[in-house]
Amino acid sequence: AQSVSQHNHHVILSEAASLELGCNYSYGGTVNLFWYVQYPGQHLQLLLKYFSGDPLVKGIKGFEAEFIKSKFSFNLRKPSVQWSDTAEYFCAVEGLSGNTPLVFGKGTRLSVIA
Amino acid sequence: EAGVAQSPRYKIIEKRQSVAFWCNPISGHATLYWYQQILGQGPKLLIQFQNNGVVDDSQLPKDRFSAERLKGVDSTLKIQPAKLEDSAVYLCASSLTGGGTEAFFGQGTRLTVV
Repeated sequence: AQSVSQHNHHVILSEAASLELGCNYSYGGTVNLFWYVQYPGQHLQLLLKYFSGDPLVKGIKGFEAEFIKSKFSFNLRKPSVQWSDTAEYFCAVEGLSGNTPLVFGKGTRLSVIA
Repeated sequence: EAGVAQSPRYKIIEKRQSVAFWCNPISGHATLYWYQQILGQGPKLLIQFQNNGVVDDSQLPKDRFSAERLKGVDSTLKIQPAKLEDSAVYLCASSLTGGGTEAFFGQGTRLTVV
């Protein structure tokens, strides 16, 4: 079964700082990769996804993520964070071999301060 | 487009009582997921349905948890009897076909067992 590891539990940044959140997964086959975001008091929503093709994917609100197959990583980046990016970020992976479920990491809480 | 509907939003019960949660997925979505999210952790998959069949329930504590999706549309998740450690947010999500398609989440039901 696949698993997901998110390196940072809580990240605190000042506005305009650059962001990189780490995500590594373990799975022996082809995967679909996702980043979900949960703003305070709101439900989980999709930020971006990778299925195939260009390993650099762009999502909403200026976020992007790069899939590095050799490192089993799918790190999330944003060049300049805003206060409104304060949220919990979850990396998720879904294996394509058979009926493998969508598995989430433990999440990274991002706090952006003015 | 209507989202994933869940009820109730909040529930407080005493240990050893039973509780049921209801989920109505997005119309036309074949795949339905139930996740448990304990405070400070990522969502943990409890059960995944494809139409009215179970795809994965390997992490469902079957001695106390049960779920059904009788007509392949809405679903109920039941806990009987509840334990203190069941306190969590129970998330329902749906996707069009499962693998490779975006999962849309409901607001969740916050369960507190006292």
